[in-house]
Amino acid sequence: QKEVEQNSGPLSVPEGAIASLNCTYSDRGSQSFFWYRQYSGKSPELIMFIYSNGDKEDGRFTAQLNKASQYVSLLIRDSQPSDSATYLCAVNRGGGATNKLIFGTGTLLAVQP
Amino acid sequence: DTAVSQTPKYLVTQMGNDKSIKCEQNLGHDTMYWYKQDSKKFLKIMFSYNNKELIINETVPNRFSPKSPDKAHLNLHINSLELGDSAVYFCASSQDQAEQYFGPGTRLTVT
Repeated sequence: QKEVEQNSGPLSVPEGAIASLNCTYSDRGSQSFFWYRQYSGKSPELIMFIYSNGDKEDGRFTAQLNKASQYVSLLIRDSQPSDSATYLCAVNRGGGATNKLIFGTGTLLAVQP
Repeated sequence: DTAVSQTPKYLVTQMGNDKSIKCEQNLGHDTMYWYKQDSKKFLKIMFSYNNKELIINETVPNRFSPKSPDKAHLNLHINSLELGDSAVYFCASSQDQAEQYFGPGTRLTVT
């Protein structure tokens, strides 16, 4: 079992719809969770992080965390073609000085105009 | 101003050569990282340094040697390059081991 699992996609949604990206992780001790967006040929860009169970909203983005189910998701409201990218889920394993991000393989999102 | 910068952006070299990649961050962060992203886009940590001290050293061949002259700089030297070393190498930094910010990447091609 991979430590962080994501559906590779592509996930295709029409412009203006809600895109829902999902991620599961195996280490119950994980404390912090991150979503990165990566455009083709570019570096990962941090878009959301969440540490506590529940929802965290930032503009059109909402991160949801359920530690009991070891599940983290990212919702993108009013999806735009510019949101088309690979979305990487990352889980912080370790803590303190040994902080280490474990990445999923990413979900490719395609927003259709 | 660029927060995390890397040089060079592209690196094409032959097998057996030695090469270095440099990284600098102007965010005042105390921790820096090297990641490798392979052809399948899987991103994996290689090393981390906290205030110039090596903290994480994943299962990486000892041909790879990181060096941190100060907490704003982290370099990666690779000896005896192999075809399998071809990848994109990303530097990242964070403060207090929190959110990590990535540099633009160095695309290494070994022929």
